[in-house]
Amino acid sequence: GAGVSQSPRYKVAKRGQDVALRCDPISGHVSLFWYQQALGQGPEFLTYFQNEAQLDKSGLPSDRFFAERPEGSVSTLKIQRTQQEDSAVYLCASSPAMSEQFFGPGTRLTVL
Amino acid sequence: QKEVEQDPGPLSVPEGAIVSLNCTYSNSAFQYFMWYRQYSRKGPELLMYTYSSGNKEDGRFTAQVDKSSKYISLFIRDSQPSDSATYLCAPHPGGTSYGKLTFGQGTILTVHP
Repeated sequence: GAGVSQSPRYKVAKRGQDVALRCDPISGHVSLFWYQQALGQGPEFLTYFQNEAQLDKSGLPSDRFFAERPEGSVSTLKIQRTQQEDSAVYLCASSPAMSEQFFGPGTRLTVL
Repeated sequence: QKEVEQDPGPLSVPEGAIVSLNCTYSNSAFQYFMWYRQYSRKGPELLMYTYSSGNKEDGRFTAQVDKSSKYISLFIRDSQPSDSATYLCAPHPGGTSYGKLTFGQGTILTVHP
């Protein structure tokens, strides 16, 4: 079956622009995570959803970052007024409850 | 100090070599110890995990945990060029935790034919 998909795969934004990154989890997966992976680093947790409820957003670096999952399936990570330090790969992962996380290929964001 | 420390390498070995990848951690609550493999331009994929201290073997891969010294190792025997990737350790508290992962920095491994 299909894995986790993310779009776009690559995004170039000018500093100050808003961007929206999409994640399509594996069908039926209750849990959804967003991670940020800077160049040469391991992924760092941003936020977690259980169905449509955002239960943990402690990793979001600033109030410019916003995530939603309104129907408990597709999720969108939005970054407002992008800054150069936002340049990273944004990974989405989904899992059945309390189980292995399956990662998407990521969206590589470059802010110029 | 980061919760999970991992030597970033890079590590370059000839085909057939034994590879040792290591992490240290500081949180005594960690009970599960995952290893992820990440190929270039791909997301991480779970390679194997162990629970508490001890060894676990899966084919050419062996994971080892020493909770007394908070030290995690992954050994790869008879390494192959297809093993070339970034390896990430990710200890986890387990229990009622919902699955938020704390990753090490990752070690870049290249296996030369």
